[in-house]
Amino acid sequence: EVQLLESGGGSVLPGGSLRLSCEASGITFRNYAMHWVRQAPGKGLEWVSSIGRRGDRIYYADSVKGRFTISRDDSKNTLSLQMSGLRAEDTALYYCAKAEQPVLTAFDLWGQGTTVIVSS
Amino acid sequence: SYVVTQPPSVSVAPGKTARITCGGNNIGTKSVNWYQQKSGQAPVLLIYYDTDRPSGIPERVSASNSGNTATLTVSRVEAGDEADYYCQVWDSSSDHWVFGGGTKLTVL
Repeated sequence: EVQLLESGGGSVLPGGSLRLSCEASGITFRNYAMHWVRQAPGKGLEWVSSIGRRGDRIYYADSVKGRFTISRDDSKNTLSLQMSGLRAEDTALYYCAKAEQPVLTAFDLWGQGTTVIVSS
Repeated sequence: SYVVTQPPSVSVAPGKTARITCGGNNIGTKSVNWYQQKSGQAPVLLIYYDTDRPSGIPERVSASNSGNTATLTVSRVEAGDEADYYCQVWDSSSDHWVFGGGTKLTVL
């Protein structure tokens, strides 16, 4: 079955760190660019970060640049998002998604998301 | 950075046509994607490259993009079309993906 499965979410104190993972199955993971998109409770979609095939062409939203790091391990079919310096406004459901290329091409498969709560 | 604007809500009766707009400066020069998100579910790609439908998306879903407005059209609306719809573009000047704020489609 073709799917993306996120994990690693949880509750964390402001200023804390968390590492999200997204495991792909049913696809040749190395052939695709990967993305993280988040959705705060009751709000719209917000793009977070993208990584191209072979780990080149990395992009970040201004709101997370310098605090979040995207990476991929093609041997494990896994996308990661290392989050540090977490703030209350980072509270959201985090989705991973795949695309043919990191730019211009649409996100054609999404996971079900993992929830991050930043609160004291 | 580039901004795309969607109406917060659109309402339509069953069997009628719903049109959801996505406005942005010269958005017609960009490639627009559209996503549908039903309550409690992950987004699903509806339209890519302005007008193309992935396999499994019905022909009654279509889109256009010209000038300062991209439009998603859902014909013969059904109760199952009730969802939030998002447009998306790549902003090459900032190297950012940009989502519209989303439009809630209500089927009356």
